[in-house]
Amino acid sequence: DQQVKQNSPSLSVQEGRISILNCDYTNSMFDYFLWYKKYPAEGPTFLISISSIKDKNEDGRFTVFLNKSAKHLSLHIVPSQPGDSAVYFCAASLMGGGSNYKLTFGKGTLLTVNP
Amino acid sequence: KAGVTQTPRYLIKTRGQQVTLSCSPISGHRSVSWYQQTPGQGLQFLFEYFSETQRNKGNFPGRFSGRQFSNSRSEMNVSTLELGDSALYLCASSLRQVRQETQYFGPGTRLLVL
Repeated sequence: DQQVKQNSPSLSVQEGRISILNCDYTNSMFDYFLWYKKYPAEGPTFLISISSIKDKNEDGRFTVFLNKSAKHLSLHIVPSQPGDSAVYFCAASLMGGGSNYKLTFGKGTLLTVNP
Repeated sequence: KAGVTQTPRYLIKTRGQQVTLSCSPISGHRSVSWYQQTPGQGLQFLFEYFSETQRNKGNFPGRFSGRQFSNSRSEMNVSTLELGDSALYLCASSLRQVRQETQYFGPGTRLLVL
């Protein structure tokens, strides 16, 4: 059972426009959400995170929105740049830490930003 | 501050062999987690070590094991390799001091089993 889902395997946008990547989750015990960016043959690079007590977090061109009632989060990139082209992973961790301390990942969305 | 390092970066093994992968966390980080990435299954959690103790384990067979040393460096071992073990193995580290923490990943070890 996939607890974190990224239903769009790929997304293509024009340079300068907004990129919106979506993520849904099923486990209401998740309380911390992260977005990672990954280039081929490299490890994931942390982008931005959000705690379940917030509904928005911004960092430069990146904004993450969390809708707990819908169990949905999204990553907005404005403006999109060709260097943003990569696979983006949504990840979630369970509240309480301890033996639950791990990240559950979605399958990723390949973002292509066209010049 | 140096990031997470993993060695080796690439490995080719044959079925039945065993392999050991190494991970050095960010300085000061005491938690090391291991993940397997495959095209079909995505990124899946293997196990986490904190203060030399395995704190959490994912749904992988006993052929996958690990350990952590007193300097927080970690090794992962896979015995009796199978073709399906071909994957990118990623290590991530964190401070593990607060409840909500970010894990930082290394570049990974690409393992090919022939």
